[in-house]
Amino acid sequence: DAGVIQSPRHEVTEMGQEVTLRCKPISGHNSLFWYRQTMMRGLELLIYFNNNVPIDDSGMPEDRFSAKMPNASFSTLKIQPSEPRDSAVYFCASRRDSYGYTFGSGTRLTVV
Amino acid sequence: DAKTTQPTSMDCAEGRAANLPCNHSTISGNEYVYWYRQIHSQGPQYIIHGLKNNETNEMASLIITEDRKSSTLILPHATLRDTAVYYCIVTAGGTSYGKLTFGQGTILTVHP
Repeated sequence: DAGVIQSPRHEVTEMGQEVTLRCKPISGHNSLFWYRQTMMRGLELLIYFNNNVPIDDSGMPEDRFSAKMPNASFSTLKIQPSEPRDSAVYFCASRRDSYGYTFGSGTRLTVV
Repeated sequence: DAKTTQPTSMDCAEGRAANLPCNHSTISGNEYVYWYRQIHSQGPQYIIHGLKNNETNEMASLIITEDRKSSTLILPHATLRDTAVYYCIVTAGGTSYGKLTFGQGTILTVHP
């Protein structure tokens, strides 16, 4: 079991550029979650999917953020255009039914 | 989801038991108590969860009071590698749609 795989591990981009973060959940897990972590705000839930369907996107900060889950083995979080205040560590997590979440190692995003 | 209250920080000597308290006085009947921890620069890691009975696994024990308004996570023999932020979360985790809302957690420092 390779766990939840996120890519890239680090991303540095210029303000205004499009950023795409990727996540491969654990096989057999039916829920997927995207979180963002900053020193000021801690861990924030952005969006989560169940059986590839978005269930709650109320945490998505604004229209510049979008997330997709085209199939059970892949999800993306896109920021377009990116801004310096989007700098954070973005975590993806997956779970199966009522079991605990498994988190990926995160993507550290820096927007300059 | 019910709100939780945890101490901001705690210290523990290596080899001793670490007892981390959590208050969740507004917990409802279908809500579980989950514990996660986050070691610096890593994604959160699932530790244990329970509904009303005490639980034990290879990592820790969870003691839930009879009225379910508080709980204690016990690390029986703390090591330096247990230094982390510990999060107590209450959520309807028994459903496929259960989501985790992280608070500020308790910073546990294990010292030699």
